[in-house]
Amino acid sequence: GAGVSQSPSNKVTEKGKDVELRCDPISGHTALYWYRQSLGQGLEFLIYFQGNSAPDKSGLPSDRFSAERTGGSVSTLTIQRTQQEDSAVYLCASSNRDRDNEQYFGPGTRLTVT
Amino acid sequence: KQEVTQIPAALSVPEGENLVLNCSFTDSAIYNLQWFRQDPGKGLTSLLLIQSSQREQTSGRLNASLDKSSGRSTLYIAASQPGDSATYLCAVSGNTPLVFGKGTRLSVIA
Repeated sequence: GAGVSQSPSNKVTEKGKDVELRCDPISGHTALYWYRQSLGQGLEFLIYFQGNSAPDKSGLPSDRFSAERTGGSVSTLTIQRTQQEDSAVYLCASSNRDRDNEQYFGPGTRLTVT
Repeated sequence: KQEVTQIPAALSVPEGENLVLNCSFTDSAIYNLQWFRQDPGKGLTSLLLIQSSQREQTSGRLNASLDKSSGRSTLYIAASQPGDSATYLCAVSGNTPLVFGKGTRLSVIA
């Protein structure tokens, strides 16, 4: 079946602009995760959605970052007033049920802030 | 705060060799440990998942072990091939969904 998809694959934006990154999880997966991979920091957790529960936002680096998940499926990560340090690859993953289960990753969105 | 360390950071071996990648974590209260492979410019591919109650998992030429009490896992690759060249990432799931190590960059030379 189809895996996790993300769009766009690449995004170049000017400092100060807002960006939206999209994730389509595997159909039927109730848990969805966002991670960020940057050269200096490695891979870091951002936010986690599980069903209708309140999301775990503990990894979001600042209040410029937000995410929503509509209808328990598609998720959008929004970065407001982008900064150069936001440049990274943003990865989305989904899993069946909860964090005990194997996570499947999308190909990522490479964000470059100029 | 959970910290995951992978040793070595980079490894180069001739084709056909067996090799071991190491992963250690500081907090043994984990749900599971997952090994991933990442090719340059690509996303992550899950290789093996070991639940906290398990000791090892095998898939083809790959075998991963978990010693939760000592905070260690190893990924064993048998009869390495040039196509195994990639970065291998270890990640543990606990209070934070996944905490990653910085990876081991593997090169298998033909």
